[in-house]
Amino acid sequence: QVQLEESGGGLVKPGGSLRLSCEASGFSFSDYYMSWIRQAPGKGLEFISYINDGGNVKWHADSVRGRFTISRDNAKKSLFLQMDNLSAEDTAIYYCARVPNDGNYVIWHFDLWGRGTLARVSA
Amino acid sequence: EILMTQSPATLSVSPGERATLSCRASQSLNTSLAWHQQKPGHGPRLLIYGASTRATGIPTRFSGTGSGTEFTLTISSLLSEDFAVYYCQQYNKWPLTFGGGTTVEIK
Repeated sequence: QVQLEESGGGLVKPGGSLRLSCEASGFSFSDYYMSWIRQAPGKGLEFISYINDGGNVKWHADSVRGRFTISRDNAKKSLFLQMDNLSAEDTAIYYCARVPNDGNYVIWHFDLWGRGTLARVSA
Repeated sequence: EILMTQSPATLSVSPGERATLSCRASQSLNTSLAWHQQKPGHGPRLLIYGASTRATGIPTRFSGTGSGTEFTLTISSLLSEDFAVYYCQQYNKWPLTFGGGTTVEIK
């Protein structure tokens, strides 16, 4: 079954850290760019990070740059998001999502999403 | 950053009726536009990419049209499982951005 499953969310105090994980199954994980997208309570979707298939190219949105770090382990078919120096504005459901390609080019939409994991930042 | 504006915010439709959702971009996207469906408690699901190409397994009652700055998602005859929130997403320019969503609710 082709799916993504996030874990690692929880309640953390401001200034604290969380490490989110996303486990892939049913497809060749190492062939795809992967991303993190978040959704604050009652809000829309915000694309915050991506990593290329080899793991050597990473991008983070301005809102998280310097505090969040994306990484991956292709052998374990897993994607990670290390979140440091968290603030209340980071409270959101975090989704991992797959970025498709046509064999030659990445096509920058998201063709497979997980169910998400909730990160709450509160004193 | 390209601003994506969806309308209406909420659409009340009876089962079996047609639903038409709009998405407007602040700059031309050509056809670099996707639609995603989200049901409560679930992650989004890709419906349409390239403005008009249905993703794998998406029923034919879903169709996308448009190019440039104006796009439409049409659900030809709503089933109970189609009541959800729909987001458009542009991928023509970095950073990728989403619209605020349209909630399709039962009338």
